[in-house]
Amino acid sequence: SQTIHQWPATLVQPVGSPLSLECTVEGTSNPNLYWYRQAAGRGLQLLFYSVGIGQISSEVPQNLSASRPQDRQFILSSKKLLLSDSGFYLCAWSLAGVGNQPQHFGDGTRLSIL
Amino acid sequence: DAKTTQPPSMDCAEGRAANLPCNHSTISGNEYVYWYRQIHSQGPQYIIHGLKNNETNEMASLIITEDRKSSTLILPHATLRDTAVYYCIVDSGSARQLTFGSGTQLTVLP
Repeated sequence: SQTIHQWPATLVQPVGSPLSLECTVEGTSNPNLYWYRQAAGRGLQLLFYSVGIGQISSEVPQNLSASRPQDRQFILSSKKLLLSDSGFYLCAWSLAGVGNQPQHFGDGTRLSIL
Repeated sequence: DAKTTQPPSMDCAEGRAANLPCNHSTISGNEYVYWYRQIHSQGPQYIIHGLKNNETNEMASLIITEDRKSSTLILPHATLRDTAVYYCIVDSGSARQLTFGSGTQLTVLP
C-alpha cells in the first residue's frame, strides 16, 4: 500500500531564517504531488503541485519555493521566512493519469514563526 | 467548483450509525462527490468518493440521491476515534486545488 511521510511534525523558526520541509511517498510511481497550507480556522490553500521530476507549478505568489529532485520526493523551501508563513503545511499525492482520483494527505508540519 | 452545504455539527452515540448529510444542488455532470475527514492536528483523510452510484468501502458508505443534488455519508458503527470534522467536496478532477468548506464537526459520545 501507499504511504506518505512528512517531517518534521512541528517546527519553530525565527523570522528571516531558511526553511526546508520534506515529503516522501512510498508504494507508487510518478505520483502527482501537492503542497498545501492551512491557516488557523481556514481552508486549504494549494501552494504548489508537481506532475513529475523537476516539474513544479506555483498556484500563488509567495515567499516559498518547491522542488522535486526525485520521483517520490517533494520539498518545500524558503530562503527567508516571514511571520505570515506560519501555518499548517500539508503534502499530498494522487495517482497520475488515472481518471478522477482522490488526494491523500500526510500528517502535516505545524510551522510557527517567531 | 460547485459549493456544498453541511450542518456545522452533529453528535452520535458510540456504536450507532452516523449519517452525515451534504447538499450540492449545483453539482455538474462530471463532478464527483468526495468525503474527507480531519482529526485535530492531523492531515485530511480520504474516506470515499462517488459519481452517481452508491459506494461502500471498509470505512463508510456513500449514498447519492438520484438527482445528485445531495448525498449522505454513513459510518455504520461510530467509535470515539471517528470524532472529527467531515468535509464533503465536489470535484471534477480538472482543478488541482481541493476546496474544503467548513465541514461538519462530528462528535461521537460514549
